[in-house]
Amino acid sequence: NAGVTQTPKFQVLKTGQSMTLQCAQDMNHNSMYWYRQDPGMGLRLIYYSASEGTTDKGEVPNGYNVSRLNKREFSLRLESAAPSQTSVYFCASSQGTGGNQPQHFGDGTRLSIL
Amino acid sequence: GENVEQHPSTLSVQEGDSAVIKCTYSDSASNYFPWYKQELGKRPQLIIDIRSNVGEKKDQRIAVTLNKTAKHFSLHITETQPEDSAVYFCAATGYSTLTFGKGTMLLVSP
Repeated sequence: NAGVTQTPKFQVLKTGQSMTLQCAQDMNHNSMYWYRQDPGMGLRLIYYSASEGTTDKGEVPNGYNVSRLNKREFSLRLESAAPSQTSVYFCASSQGTGGNQPQHFGDGTRLSIL
Repeated sequence: GENVEQHPSTLSVQEGDSAVIKCTYSDSASNYFPWYKQELGKRPQLIIDIRSNVGEKKDQRIAVTLNKTAKHFSLHITETQPEDSAVYFCAATGYSTLTFGKGTMLLVSP
């Protein structure tokens, strides 16, 4: 039982390049989330998917797109990477479709954009 | 939307002392308040949570209190140990997601 698995763990991109971050969970959870974590800013929600087939914007969605491929997988895409998107990205999942259930986090992807 | 304020941003204590981290929230409809611990370079991990129908919850050296009237909740760690050193995040339920505070770096000195 791996929980939430994110790939890759590290990535360096050049400005303007595109990339997809992958996330998969094996807990049969309904909801999945993408956060970015910057020093002193806490965890900020980029996009979430309350159930298979639905996605919604979070606090900081600009410059990102997401796909809920199936119940297990939720990917985050940067179409044209910018230095401001240098961050640590965490995927999380939870059982319920609202915000009132514990969220389980992956190990994160450390992304640097030059 | 929900707004969560967390204080202090850093907290230094001696081993064995107690530590208290406080959070306030803005949305009176919020009903779920988890606390996460994040060690350096690791993922956030849930350490305790409380729901709005409960005023206090304890788990060994950790306790959380909730004051719905004042819209604030607190994390209490007693008999702190060096392994408690980490960043702690509070969170509150937003419309359909969690909103996190900006974190408190707790340093426990031997």
